[in-house]
Amino acid sequence: KAGVTQTPRYLIKTRGQQVTLSCSPISGHRSVSWYQQTPGQGLQFLFEYFSETQRNKGNFPGRFSGRQFSNSRSEMNVSTLELGDSALYLCASSFDRKSHYGYTFGSGTRLTVV
Amino acid sequence: GDSVTQMEGPVTLSEEAFLTINCTYTATGYPSLFWYVQYPGEGLQLLLKATKADDKGSNKGFEATYRKETTSFHLEKGSVQVSDSAVYFCALRLKTSYDKVIFGPGTSLSVIP
Repeated sequence: KAGVTQTPRYLIKTRGQQVTLSCSPISGHRSVSWYQQTPGQGLQFLFEYFSETQRNKGNFPGRFSGRQFSNSRSEMNVSTLELGDSALYLCASSFDRKSHYGYTFGSGTRLTVV
Repeated sequence: GDSVTQMEGPVTLSEEAFLTINCTYTATGYPSLFWYVQYPGEGLQLLLKATKADDKGSNKGFEATYRKETTSFHLEKGSVQVSDSAVYFCALRLKTSYDKVIFGPGTSLSVIP
């Protein structure tokens, strides 16, 4: 069974540009969550999608957005990139949103903003 | 608010030593509890979980027991290996609402031969 696939693995962008990251969850998983991981802030929740609807959102500015498609694949977009957006972006899928389901994570996309 | 606290790292142990990583939580409801592990350059992997009080999660020699009275979920392993070197995250997910997983700050473990 294929795991969670995130593309691309690495990305270098310039300040002011925008970027789109992709996540394909495990087949059958309907919930996709995104986290930003940095050495200083640890894992910070960005948003969660379930059945193509955003169900939860973290405390990030509106430059961060996402969506989920009918096949559960998800994308996140960051516009007007800032140096502070450099981070590892992790996608996590879950079969459902109930508490006893843990996440399966992808390997992440390492974004560097220069 | 709901949160997870872990012991400060980094933790350095010799091979075959006993490992304990402390984790305590604050939650308004009755959460499910998880331990995740992150190896260098990779995403997080679910290591073990427990969904109710007194449950013991175990995997790959690691164990953790859900202690409701002390709101703790400490991770233990009797004999660590060099391959256990990684960052370990304690996490919770509430049962009373369909909410996100809340992660602790992570504890870095280095095992030396």
